Amino acid sequence: KAGVTQTPRYLIKTRGQQVTLSCSPISGHRSVSWYQQTPGQGLQFLFEYFSETQRNKGNFPGRFSGRQFSNSRSEMNVSTLELGDSALYLCASSPAQTGGWYEQYFGPGTRLTVT
Amino acid sequence: AQSVTQLGSHVSVSEGALVLLRCNYSSSVPPYLFWYVQYPNQGLQLLLKYTSAATLVKGINGFEAEFKKSETSFHLTKPSAHMSDAAEYFCAVNTGNQFYFGTGTSLTVIP
Repeated sequence: KAGVTQTPRYLIKTRGQQVTLSCSPISGHRSVSWYQQTPGQGLQFLFEYFSETQRNKGNFPGRFSGRQFSNSRSEMNVSTLELGDSALYLCASSPAQTGGWYEQYFGPGTRLTVT
Repeated sequence: AQSVTQLGSHVSVSEGALVLLRCNYSSSVPPYLFWYVQYPNQGLQLLLKYTSAATLVKGINGFEAEFKKSETSFHLTKPSAHMSDAAEYFCAVNTGNQFYFGTGTSLTVIP
């Protein structure tokens, strides 16, 4: 099976702009989670989608949003970009909702740089 | 309180030496525990997970971890370090609502 894919891999944006990142989960996986990874804060959970519904949300401002399509592909959007949004954004898929022994499979990430 | 705590943000070992990366979990969370590895400019890769079938869990690349409920620990070990083991290692717990990751341990292998 193909792994989790994320596009684009690298992105440079200017403060105030908005950005959309895309994630295609492993075939058959219905859960997609998003994380922000920075050197200072480590891995922080953004949100999880399962069957097109946001199931869980981390502690991020409303500028961060996401959605999931019927084919389980997911997008996340960040509006009004700030310098502090520069990070590696990781997408992870799982065959089921977060819980129990189900592990998450990660994509390679999108490196976002805000200037 | 942190759900998982990784002691030591940086660990250096000589090639061929024992690797020990420490992880303690909060007793308030269910013990759905995982170890992931991240190589530079890549996503996280699952090394192993605890499923309650056995307290000693074997993973990929020769790594294993032992679940010790009395110590609330899930330390990762490898008998003999290889240069290719140099990476960032994350302990994680699945609370049922979301995954919580430790702050990571950067492993350096000295030739």
